[in-house]
Amino acid sequence: SQQGEEDPQALSIQEGENATMNCSYKTSINNLQWYRQNSGRGLVHLILIRSNEREKHSGRLRVTLDTSKKSSSLLITASRAADTASYFCATDTKTSYDKVIFGPGTSLSVIP
Amino acid sequence: NAGVTQTPKFRVLKTGQSMTLLCAQDMNHEYMYWYRQDPGMGLRLIHYSVGEGTTAKGEVPDGYNVSRLKKQNFLLGLESAAPSQTSVYFCASGSTDRGYNQPQHFGDGTRLSIL
Repeated sequence: SQQGEEDPQALSIQEGENATMNCSYKTSINNLQWYRQNSGRGLVHLILIRSNEREKHSGRLRVTLDTSKKSSSLLITASRAADTASYFCATDTKTSYDKVIFGPGTSLSVIP
Repeated sequence: NAGVTQTPKFRVLKTGQSMTLLCAQDMNHEYMYWYRQDPGMGLRLIHYSVGEGTTAKGEVPDGYNVSRLKKQNFLLGLESAAPSQTSVYFCASGSTDRGYNQPQHFGDGTRLSIL
């Protein structure tokens, strides 16, 4: 079974709108990371948030972490067509920090 | 810097054939990973390595073997390919900082079809 799971599976928005994706996980984590994958390419790292952090920002990206609910959200503000991609959360646990497990991803389409 | 390089990029095999996928990284990372990606399944960890000469099983290790003879290389082997192993394979490398995983760097994938 997968540690992390993103929601929704697919999201379609207009350019300029905000996009929010959620990730839920099952066991206590060490780190949670978000990655982006453009079609036909490898994954690119976006943000890493540690278990003792609650919020991180990077440009138009904002990630929150709620360890009591075992969930994280990725917010992309003022979306652009170039943000069209799949987004994955990845977690490693306190007991197995060298093993990073990915969720199934959210497919984001930004319509110009 | 090349980052993470996967060889080959595409391959078609017949059932029962064997092959080796090569991953090379030039960032001096300790950790290396092999994932497979299937539609709707995200990435699933096959095997990983925390250092030269060490390997460990991931989520879906059956049917695959790996070796890490040199720090910069991580090989994934299919001894007897099966159609269920048709997938896109990604290699990644990473490091740690005071016990915390750092971001992984990914190759562009190997698209493998088994007929």
